[in-house]
This record gives sequence, C-alpha cells and structure tokens, in this order.
Amino acid sequence: SAVISQKPSRDICQRGTSLTIQCQVDSQVTMMFWYRQQPGQSLTLIATANQGSEATYESGFVIDKFPISRPNLTFSTLTVSNMSPEDSSIYLCSVDLTGSYEQYFGPGTRLTVT
Amino acid sequence: AQTVTQSQPEMSVQEAETVTLSCTYDTSESDYYLFWYKQPPSRQMILVIRQEAYKQQNATENRFSVNFQKAAKSFSLKISDSQLGDAAMYFCAYFGNEKLTFGTGTRLTIIP
Repeated sequence: SAVISQKPSRDICQRGTSLTIQCQVDSQVTMMFWYRQQPGQSLTLIATANQGSEATYESGFVIDKFPISRPNLTFSTLTVSNMSPEDSSIYLCSVDLTGSYEQYFGPGTRLTVT
Repeated sequence: AQTVTQSQPEMSVQEAETVTLSCTYDTSESDYYLFWYKQPPSRQMILVIRQEAYKQQNATENRFSVNFQKAAKSFSLKISDSQLGDAAMYFCAYFGNEKLTFGTGTRLTIIP
C-alpha cells in the first residue's frame, strides 16, 4: 500500500473563486486519478493524470473548469475554477500503485461553495 | 459504456450474522476487473476485495467473499460474522477501458 494525502481536507469557498487541491503519494506512480463525489452520490471520474502528458478528461468535465497538473510521479493538483454551489462535493484522488488496476484513494477534500 | 447497478440502497444485519450485497454490471468486454470498496463515515475509500474476470474461483479476504457469476454479470459481496466496524457505504466497481466505474452504493447498518 501507500500513503496518499490530500490538502486541504475541507474548505468553504465563495462562488466565483478557485480552489486548488493537492494530492501527494509517498511512492512513484504512473497513473493518478481525480474523482468527484457529490452529496449522497457515488464517485464519478473527472480525469486521469499521467506524468508528462496532458490529463484525459471524462465526458462532462473540461480542462477550463478543472485544470490538472502532474509535475512528477508523486504529486498532482486539481483546480476547481469559477466555483458555483453545484461544485460542492468531495474530491478524491487515487493512484494505481502496481499496474494491477487496483486504485487506492486519498482521504478526500470536502468542498463547500457558498 | 459500462454500467454498474446496486439495487439495494440500504441493508441492515445483526452483529455476527451474514449479509450479502448485490451488484450487477453491463459490459461487452471479456477481460476486466471487479472491486468492492467500503466508505465509512470518515469518507476514506477502502479496497475490500477484487476479482479478475478470467478467474473462475471466487475471491476471498478473511470475512469477505464474492460470488462472481460472469455469464449473469453478477458480483455480490458476502460479509460473514458482521462487526460494528463493517458499517459503511459499499460500492461495487468495474474496471475496464482504463477507467473505474462505480455503482450507486449500498449503505450497510450493523445492528448490535
């Protein structure tokens, strides 16, 4: 297993502002993933972030709204831009540690937009 | 597109008893992976068990086991000797086409 941390753990933000969420892993991984979990809902994949290439976004998610950086093999950021109350969710990062398709998740960031 | 269906929004079980959570999925692929994740109130997603589609043998991890029926596209989770710490949301997930697709979840309550 690995230790996966996220910062911040929670935040309350004003609409129209942006928040950058950090995900740090204590070992090098090729693939990192960002998910959104809206209140009372399941997890939805936002994008896959591989080091050295542009993130791949799922249908319904665009780079202008959710820009992602992946500067090295242990770190990634997700920015939620121009926030609205509908962006209030838990945002989780995950990693595929071994290439065995198992994903391990960070503790999540609870975002509330007012 | 793959879909994952969990038809039981909520389940409850007496402590020390056995409970089975249901999951079905839809796919045209022959090679894929299936998972059960647990999300307690702390919101941490915890991998419970995995099953490779090419394996006929059902996966087992201590008190957790699955009943994998590939032809029926069914993947249920059995929890034996239920404990208070098993209370959580349980999500079934399918991995194919380089992505993980989750079901809507089943909230499991353990009755002391």
